Amino acid sequence: EIVLTQSPATLSLSPGERATLSCGASQSVSSSYLAWYQQKPGLAPRLLIYDASSRATGIPDRFSGSGSGTDFTLTISRLEPEDFAVYYCQQYGSSPTFGGGTKVEIK
Amino acid sequence: QVTLRESGPALVKPTQTLTLTCTFSGFSLSTSGMCVSWIRQPPGKALEWLARIDWDDDKYYSTSLKTRLTISKDTSKNQVVLTMTNMDPVDTATYYCARIQAAGATTLWFDPWGQGTLVTVSS
Repeated sequence: EIVLTQSPATLSLSPGERATLSCGASQSVSSSYLAWYQQKPGLAPRLLIYDASSRATGIPDRFSGSGSGTDFTLTISRLEPEDFAVYYCQQYGSSPTFGGGTKVEIK
Repeated sequence: QVTLRESGPALVKPTQTLTLTCTFSGFSLSTSGMCVSWIRQPPGKALEWLARIDWDDDKYYSTSLKTRLTISKDTSKNQVVLTMTNMDPVDTATYYCARIQAAGATTLWFDPWGQGTLVTVSS
């Protein structure tokens, strides 16, 4: 089973700043088989990015994904107030797994 | 528009069996390629994939929980049912269902998700 490790656990930033979130895999992830989700308190996760770099429908272009192999990144170019949330990466597979999450909080 | 909604008991006792229902609309599980999964999230913790059922009744389970899980579907009612036996307090979590994109046995991404239902295991 592939283990995903997200860092940092918490990111304290101000609106307008750039956020860079990392997701590391314990072994190489096939063919950029990785997704990113945003979760706000009390709500279900929402798909942001699939196939490592493709934005889901309706996701603003300030969100971008990159990476391959064992190292993936989610970048939020300029944080909006509604972007403060927890972000999870997930690898595809017959037994998909999620990372532990990164909380983006207001500094 | 695709929507999913989970339902089931909010409280179960240790050793009991949990039965959760996912009722969905906007797609049919009799359509080729459609798949639904269950995922859970203990309070304040990360997400954990549990099970998946496909349009052709193929089923997949979490390795660590497969002895306790059963997933089934009722296509006529647009429902997917998950049962988990021998519940324990560590199974306290919000349980979500989600439609998934799949490529054969490979689960791709989860979208959309239901709102989730909190299940507490306590005597």
